[in-house]
Amino acid sequence: DAGVTQSPTHLIKTRGQQVTLRCSPKSGHDTVSWYQQALGQGPQFIFQYYEEEERQRGNFPDRFSGHQFPNYSSELNVNALLLGDSALYLCASSMGLAGGAQYFGPGTRLLVL
Amino acid sequence: DQQVKQNSPSLSVQEGRISILNCDYTNSMFDYFLWYKKYPAEGPTFLISISSIKDKNEDGRFTVFLNKSAKHLSLHIVPSQPGDSAVYFCAASSNNDYKLSFGAGTTVTVRA
Repeated sequence: DAGVTQSPTHLIKTRGQQVTLRCSPKSGHDTVSWYQQALGQGPQFIFQYYEEEERQRGNFPDRFSGHQFPNYSSELNVNALLLGDSALYLCASSMGLAGGAQYFGPGTRLLVL
Repeated sequence: DQQVKQNSPSLSVQEGRISILNCDYTNSMFDYFLWYKKYPAEGPTFLISISSIKDKNEDGRFTVFLNKSAKHLSLHIVPSQPGDSAVYFCAASSNNDYKLSFGAGTTVTVRA
């Protein structure tokens, strides 16, 4: 049973560039959430996708956008990268919008220079 | 606004003894609480959860206690093992808000 997978594992970009991160949910899951984890902090919620729509959004600027595909996989896009966007980006999957545990992937470590 | 707080950044415990991790929350709408464990270079792994209708949930060596009146929960690990050395995150959600709000984490070190 495949768990949540993310790609790439590491990424280095420069300020002003754009980046796309990818996530495949755990088998049987249809909801994908994205989190940003800065060093020494807990994960912060970016947004959640269900039925190919953004259902909920955290306190992140419009530079952060996403998409969910019919196979439930998801992308996170960040435009006009800032140094402060350097973080671990985590994808989590779950079943429906009923709450409950979310299962995390290994994350993508993004470094913005 | 940090709604979930883990006030102890680190905990050191001897192998075989009990580890007790604490978590406080401020949002009275939270009704579901979770603990995650994270090793370096890996994503958080779900450990155990508890609904607000309960005050205790047990799964093997892990027990979570919830005190709603104090807005406090704790995770007990008995007995602690070297493989338990990791960062532990407390998280919470509410019935109409499915995002998880996390604490900053507690680093547990189990000494041989």
